[in-house]
Amino acid sequence: AQKITQTQPGMFVQEKEAVTLDCTYDTSDQSYGLFWYKQPSSGEMIFLIYQGSYDEQNATEGRYSLNFQKARKSANLVISASQLGDSAMYFCAMREGPGGGFKTIFGAGTRLFVKA
Amino acid sequence: EADIYQTPRYLVIGTGKKITLECSQTMGHDKMYWYQQDPGMELHLIHYSYGVNSTEKGDLSSESTVSRIRTEHFPLTLESARPSHTSQYLCASSEWAENQPQHFGDGTRLSIL
Repeated sequence: AQKITQTQPGMFVQEKEAVTLDCTYDTSDQSYGLFWYKQPSSGEMIFLIYQGSYDEQNATEGRYSLNFQKARKSANLVISASQLGDSAMYFCAMREGPGGGFKTIFGAGTRLFVKA
Repeated sequence: EADIYQTPRYLVIGTGKKITLECSQTMGHDKMYWYQQDPGMELHLIHYSYGVNSTEKGDLSSESTVSRIRTEHFPLTLESARPSHTSQYLCASSEWAENQPQHFGDGTRLSIL
């Protein structure tokens, strides 16, 4: 069963606009962590933002924010004021709790295209 | 600045060869991981380790094996390479603290002819 679901294979956004990338997850653990990574065409993996399962406030890092809805098991990434350099693959990841062996698994990714 | 190193960066080799992909990190991280990723596709966890002498299989069935004899070193071995093993292999490490992200190497692009 897929534990991390990213339903948007590709997204387009106009430069300077905001975009939301969806991520839903499935776990029976109470303690877990959610991460977003960016992978440009060059291939490196860049950490963007983290949300812990017990964090009551949504995480923010500069232009990135995480819309965390625990009851719905969703952790959507919001990028404000998109830039051309934001064009990349974006991966949602979950560090599982004790039930999942504390390992980190990834979703299928969303490819974001920023239009000038 | 990379603190996690993978070698080789690229490898093209014939079917049936034994291959070892190297991964080393200088950050003293206990947790290390191997992922398989086809270009532009998702990352599949194939092996992970909590520390020295600890290895676990991931969610993707793999014919590879790993070892963790030293904290900084986590090599991946394919005993007999096949064309189906053609892919990119990413190594990562992280601290135990739950809010710490993974640090990734640059990957090894493997092509089996």
